[in-house]
Amino acid sequence: KAGVTQTPRYLIKTRGQQVTLSCSPISGHRSVSWYQQTPGQGLQFLFEYFSETQRNKGNFPGRFSGRQFSNSRSEMNVSTLELGDSALYLCASSLEGRGGYTFGSGTRLTVV
Amino acid sequence: GENVEQHPSTLSVQEGDSAVIKCTYSDSASNYFPWYKQELGKRPQLIIDIRSNVGEKKDQRIAVTLNKTAKHFSLHITETQPEDSAVYFCAASNGGGSNYKLTFGKGTLLTVNP
Repeated sequence: KAGVTQTPRYLIKTRGQQVTLSCSPISGHRSVSWYQQTPGQGLQFLFEYFSETQRNKGNFPGRFSGRQFSNSRSEMNVSTLELGDSALYLCASSLEGRGGYTFGSGTRLTVV
Repeated sequence: GENVEQHPSTLSVQEGDSAVIKCTYSDSASNYFPWYKQELGKRPQLIIDIRSNVGEKKDQRIAVTLNKTAKHFSLHITETQPEDSAVYFCAASNGGGSNYKLTFGKGTLLTVNP
């Protein structure tokens, strides 16, 4: 079966712009979570969605937001980009968010 | 919130030797402990996981042990091969509660020398 698909794979944006990243989970998986990966901070949790509802949110500023659609696909948005937002953004899907998380290949965001 | 400590940060072994990576967690409510392998430029891949009602789990050359009392769990790789070289992450989650997130350790860079 198809894995977790993230688009785009790479993005270069300018400070102050906004960006939207997309994640399509494994078919049948209803939980989608997002993580930011940086060399300094490692893998940090952003938020998790299940059946279009955000169930948990990490310690990131309000500039980071997300949503989930009825087909379980999810998007995350970062507004007013800062240089420090440069990172690999990973999404993970799971049946119900209780384990067995499968990660996508990520979106590499570079803010210049 | 949950805090996961992982040691060592780097580990170098000779091909055929065993490798052990250790993690400790702080939240006694955590009950799901996966391990991920991430090769350079690739996505983290789940290699093994364990739930708190089990003390040990094996899958070929890989095993994970869990000590709930001490709040630590370990990854054991036997007969290491060069293709085992990667960054390994441990994580903890309260998968049965309202947490719905993984808290990761900082990772261990494993190098297997031929």
